[in-house]
Amino acid sequence: QQQVKQSPQSLIVQKGGISIINCAYENTAFDYFPWYQQFPGKGPALLIAIRPDVSEKKEGRFTISFNKSAKQFSLHIMDSQPGDSATYFCAADRRGYTGTASKLTFGTGTRLQVTL
Amino acid sequence: KAGVTQTPRYLIKTRGQQVTLSCSPISGHRSVSWYQQTPGQGLQFLFEYFSETQRNKGNFPGRFSGRQFSNSRSEMNVSTLELGDSALYLCASSSGLRNTIYFGEGSWLTVV
Repeated sequence: QQQVKQSPQSLIVQKGGISIINCAYENTAFDYFPWYQQFPGKGPALLIAIRPDVSEKKEGRFTISFNKSAKQFSLHIMDSQPGDSATYFCAADRRGYTGTASKLTFGTGTRLQVTL
Repeated sequence: KAGVTQTPRYLIKTRGQQVTLSCSPISGHRSVSWYQQTPGQGLQFLFEYFSETQRNKGNFPGRFSGRQFSNSRSEMNVSTLELGDSALYLCASSSGLRNTIYFGEGSWLTVV
């Protein structure tokens, strides 16, 4: 059972454009939604994360939009650069009030290519 | 501050053998988790340890096991290796309380 669905599988964007990756989850107990960036040969690195009490979070060129009622969240990369070319994973975790990490459920990944 | 360190980075094993992978978390982090990454199944959670106790376990057969030592270092073991166990095994650590999960660069396991 895939609890976090991610789309698209791959994405090609021109330099300066906006990259948008979408995720949907099923488990309403999830309360922490991070996005990870992975370059070839490297482990995933946290980009940005959001909790369901806010609808949007922005850090630099990266923005997460969160729709709790639709159980969807998305990553927007503004002014995309060739250096952003990587695989992006959304994830979800259930941390609760104790904040106990960590059993991340990952989406299937989106391979982003930013062309010149 | 050193990141999550995994050893070995690359290894090749034969079907039926066993393998042990090692992970040193970020200093001060007491939570260590393991993930398997394959092209077909993506990133899947194996198990998580906190203060030497397994707190969470994913849906993997009993051939996959792990442990955590008093210094928070962790090992995972896969016995009776199968071809399908070929994967990137990622270790991650966190301070354990609502904090970021940091990943190592992984151990590439090839089973032949």
